[in-house]
Amino acid sequence: EEHLVESGGGLGQPGGSLRLSCATSGFNFTDYWMSWVRQAPGKGLEWVANIKQDGSEKYYGDSVEGRFTISRDNTKKLVSLQMSSLRVEDTAVYFCARADCSGTSCPGWFDTWGPGIPVTVSS
Amino acid sequence: SYELTQPPAVSVSPGQTATITCSGHNLELKFVYWYQQRPGQSPVLVIFQDTKRPSGIPDRFSGSNSANTATLTITGTQAFDEADYYCQAWDGTTAVFGGGTQLTVL
Repeated sequence: EEHLVESGGGLGQPGGSLRLSCATSGFNFTDYWMSWVRQAPGKGLEWVANIKQDGSEKYYGDSVEGRFTISRDNTKKLVSLQMSSLRVEDTAVYFCARADCSGTSCPGWFDTWGPGIPVTVSS
Repeated sequence: SYELTQPPAVSVSPGQTATITCSGHNLELKFVYWYQQRPGQSPVLVIFQDTKRPSGIPDRFSGSNSANTATLTITGTQAFDEADYYCQAWDGTTAVFGGGTQLTVL
């Protein structure tokens, strides 16, 4: 069974940094794009970033572009999100998600999600 | 930037049909995905590529996409279906979510 588990969340200072990690198991990690999606308290889902199977392509949402960096380690089946220049508005639960696809529609749908990890940015 | 618009709330009586819409410019030209999220839980994919159901999702859930609007339909709605529902599409390399619709079964 596919499994994703996030770690590394917690309290960060405005202007500071945090690093999130997502450990995966139960599937061939190198077959999939991986993504981060976040949800601010009481709000909807917001896509944060994507990374291609071999790490050659990375894409970011406008609100985090230039501040967050997504990476992956295919030997450890791990995907990470380095968050810098943190802002209060980055406070959210961060979900790691696997992106499946079909044919040329890649990435496609988020078919497996981790339980999420809370990040609070506050002084 | 591309936007997807959903009604904030939909109410339905048990056993009736719930319809949740998602509108966007030329949305019919994109694939739409739907997620269910119960309080305190992670989202669950219920529809992919407009009309397809993942394994384990009841056939009470169905989707369509035409003329700028995608629709998630839940027939024979049960109390267990009460949740937030989000549509999602891709604008190039950017994933876009709708604002979400809170489905109340009463």
